Amino acid sequence: KNQVEQSPQSLIILEGKNCTLQCNYTVSPFSNLRWYKQDTGRGPVSLTIMTFSENTKSNGRYTATLDADTKQSSLHITASQLSDSASYICVVSDRGSTLGRLYFGRGTQLTVWP
Amino acid sequence: EADIYQTPRYLVIGTGKKITLECSQTMGHDKMYWYQQDPGMELHLIHYSYGVNSTEKGDLSSESTVSRIRTEHFPLTLESARPSHTSQYLCASSDETGDEKLFFGSGTQLSVL
Repeated sequence: KNQVEQSPQSLIILEGKNCTLQCNYTVSPFSNLRWYKQDTGRGPVSLTIMTFSENTKSNGRYTATLDADTKQSSLHITASQLSDSASYICVVSDRGSTLGRLYFGRGTQLTVWP
Repeated sequence: EADIYQTPRYLVIGTGKKITLECSQTMGHDKMYWYQQDPGMELHLIHYSYGVNSTEKGDLSSESTVSRIRTEHFPLTLESARPSHTSQYLCASSDETGDEKLFFGSGTQLSVL
């Protein structure tokens, strides 16, 4: 069964600290993995996409990794800011059909305290 | 910033009412989607469209219907709302690049009393 599991479910950190969010998936065949940030009361916004051949990709203070062999991805946030408080959602796309199919994780709720 | 708009942002209605949630995008995307999101749960696809006059049901059984008469407009209608329909409804669109990047609206929070 194709699934996407995220951990932790929620996380509280102090402003300025680093944190790492995890995403494990069983989706096959794999096409790509995308991390979204969803602020409270808003729709998700894409942060970065990881394809099969990519191991690490940075977008400002966000760094995503992908290990396609173990089917794991992480999102590392450096020097957290209050504005990083949000839900971070991992979404995996398969190649099982010409239309593509998306599998969503339940998200990690990050709270950054001053 | 995505050019996709949803109205209303919040809606509180009584059981049995007919409602339409509006979604419009100005990016010219052919693909549009409706997702349902409950707190702490993953997004569930309820309807999608790959172009004008093309609509399909998603994975989550839904009593809603959609239409796609114009590229930019993808409204969702509930003929008779029930308390079980209380949820956040997110509209999204994607382009033809094939990487399935979704652009989301801000959502409609629906409460059925």
